[in-house]
Amino acid sequence: EVQLVESGGGLVQPGRSLRLSCTVSGFTFGDYAMSWVRQAPGRGLEWVGFIKSKAYGGTGEYAASVKGRFTISRDDSKSIAYLQMNSVKTEDTAVYYCTREGQQWQFDYWGQGTLVTVSS
Amino acid sequence: SYVLTQPPSVSVAPGTTARISCGGNNIGSKGVHWYQQKPGQAPVLVIFHDSDRPSGIPERFSGSNSGNTATLTISGVEAGDEADYYCHVWDSSNDHRVFGGGTKLTVL
Repeated sequence: EVQLVESGGGLVQPGRSLRLSCTVSGFTFGDYAMSWVRQAPGRGLEWVGFIKSKAYGGTGEYAASVKGRFTISRDDSKSIAYLQMNSVKTEDTAVYYCTREGQQWQFDYWGQGTLVTVSS
Repeated sequence: SYVLTQPPSVSVAPGTTARISCGGNNIGSKGVHWYQQKPGQAPVLVIFHDSDRPSGIPERFSGSNSGNTATLTISGVEAGDEADYYCHVWDSSNDHRVFGGGTKLTVL
């Protein structure tokens, strides 16, 4: 059974940092690109960024709203994807989901999400 | 950047057909995916690559994509289909992923 479990969310002050983790099981993590998607309270889904599999270079892209502040990385030996959030802003408050990308760039599996609240 | 436009809401009676649109410039040239999200839950993929259904998704869910509009069609709508629906594409120009704003489906 495919499972994705996010952790690391919580309350963080503006300007500080937070690292989210996404621990996966049930598939060969290293074979897949992974994306992070967020949802602010009462709002729609927003793609945050993604990381390719190592076979495709392990690089990624980011939404303009987080580029330069957020970084996605992966540890294939532990089957974990990370979202490093630096210089957070109040508008980063959201539920953050990690997702697996299928071969057609669809998000075929999702975690349950972790809530990040940015507030002083 | 690429923009996807969805109607904020669609309302239908039980047993009828719901059609949710997703507009974008020449979206017919892209692969469109659709997600269902119920309150307090993570999204679930219901259609990928325009019209393919993941295992476990009822045949009542179907999709089409042509020109500047992709459409998610739900036949024989049930009360349990009430949810928010999002379309999503891959923007090849910058390797970004893009979501539509979402459509709230209400079953009257």
